[in-house]
Amino acid sequence: DVKVTQSSRYLVKRTGEKVFLECVQDMDHENMFWYRQDPGLGLRLIYFSYDVKMKEKGDIPEGYSVSREKKERFSLILESASTNQTSMYLCASSLAPLGTSSQHFGDGTRLSIL
Amino acid sequence: GESVGLHLPTLSVQEGDNSIINCAYSNSASDYFIWYKQESGKGPQFIIDIRSNMDKRQGQRVTVLLNKTVKHLSLQIAATQPGDSAVYFCAENWGSSASKIIFGSGTRLSIRP
Repeated sequence: DVKVTQSSRYLVKRTGEKVFLECVQDMDHENMFWYRQDPGLGLRLIYFSYDVKMKEKGDIPEGYSVSREKKERFSLILESASTNQTSMYLCASSLAPLGTSSQHFGDGTRLSIL
Repeated sequence: GESVGLHLPTLSVQEGDNSIINCAYSNSASDYFIWYKQESGKGPQFIIDIRSNMDKRQGQRVTVLLNKTVKHLSLQIAATQPGDSAVYFCAENWGSSASKIIFGSGTRLSIRP
């Protein structure tokens, strides 16, 4: 079974802090994704990556950046956290090509920005 | 814009009955659809998928129906059990980019004993 592991289940940070959310997958998947999940809005794509050192902006990249130095690890960075970034963050991975297979999700990091 | 929606935000079903969860999509170019289940405190889990060249696909206790004429997708769960309590949402894909995947906001399924 594919395992996508997010390093923290719950995180509380302060406005202006730099925040790192880490995600690791163990199935050698090419594609990795970061979403945020807010009530009533569905999953919204922040960033994704097709390969090591490659990244693409999703629908809501403002205020975020990502890093993919190794195939199995995809990090989401909040450069200067703000209260409107309080949310559930979900990491996912999938085998290429997209559009033909499902994504495998981690259990999420619930991030609160005070 | 394109969207994936749900007809009902909540659904309450008697244990043992069948559940039907609906999803509407608006992009006629979508050719791959997935249903996910998300239990409380967990990430979404794949349930079943269907491609646009099919009308129906069955899994273990679940069936997905696709009606391309009216752009409608449904998930049927047979003999609903307490463990089926979760939020269910659909996703549509219309290309090979992650930006061409849209997720619905979900339906919460609750089971009455």
